[in-house]
Amino acid sequence: KAGVTQTPRYLIKTRGQQVTLSCSPISGHRSVSWYQQTPGQGLQFLFEYFSETQRNKGNFPGRFSGRQFSNSRSEMNVSTLELGDSALYLCASRSSGREQETQYFGPGTRLLVL
Amino acid sequence: ILNVEQSPQSLHVQEGDSTNFTCSFPSSNFYALHWYRWETAKSPEALFVMTLNGDEKKKGRISATLNTKEGYSYLYIKGSQPEDSATYLCALSAGGTSYGKLTFGQGTILTVHP
Repeated sequence: KAGVTQTPRYLIKTRGQQVTLSCSPISGHRSVSWYQQTPGQGLQFLFEYFSETQRNKGNFPGRFSGRQFSNSRSEMNVSTLELGDSALYLCASRSSGREQETQYFGPGTRLLVL
Repeated sequence: ILNVEQSPQSLHVQEGDSTNFTCSFPSSNFYALHWYRWETAKSPEALFVMTLNGDEKKKGRISATLNTKEGYSYLYIKGSQPEDSATYLCALSAGGTSYGKLTFGQGTILTVHP
């Protein structure tokens, strides 16, 4: 089975712009979670989608949003980019959304905001 | 706010040494404990998911134990090899309505010298 894929892998944007990142989960997986990794804060949870519904959201401003499609692919959007949004964004998928299941991570999208 | 602590922050060992690290978490919020290995420029690789007090899991030279009553887990690497060099992360699932949310520790950076 192919693993979790994320596109693009690298992105450079300027302040004020918006960005959309994409995540394709492992085939058959219905849950997708998103995380932000910065040197100071480590890995922080953004949100989780299951069967096209957002079930949980982390402590991030409303500029961070996401969605999930019927094929379980997910996108996250960041509007009005700030310098502090520069980070590695990881998504992870799991099969049926139970909390004791392994989350399988993609390679991430590295976003640089200038 | 859940606090997951890992120690030490970094570790340098010689090839062939055995080593271990600690992950501490609040025992009152436990549902599952995940261990990941993260090599530079790669996806975090799932090692174990542990749910039961007293659980012991093993994968090759790596093993982990879990004590949910006192809120800690140990990861052991026997006979470290240079390819074991990576950041080792533990993450807590708190269950309840924390759908998809893993709370990560800051990681232990392991360097194995040939």
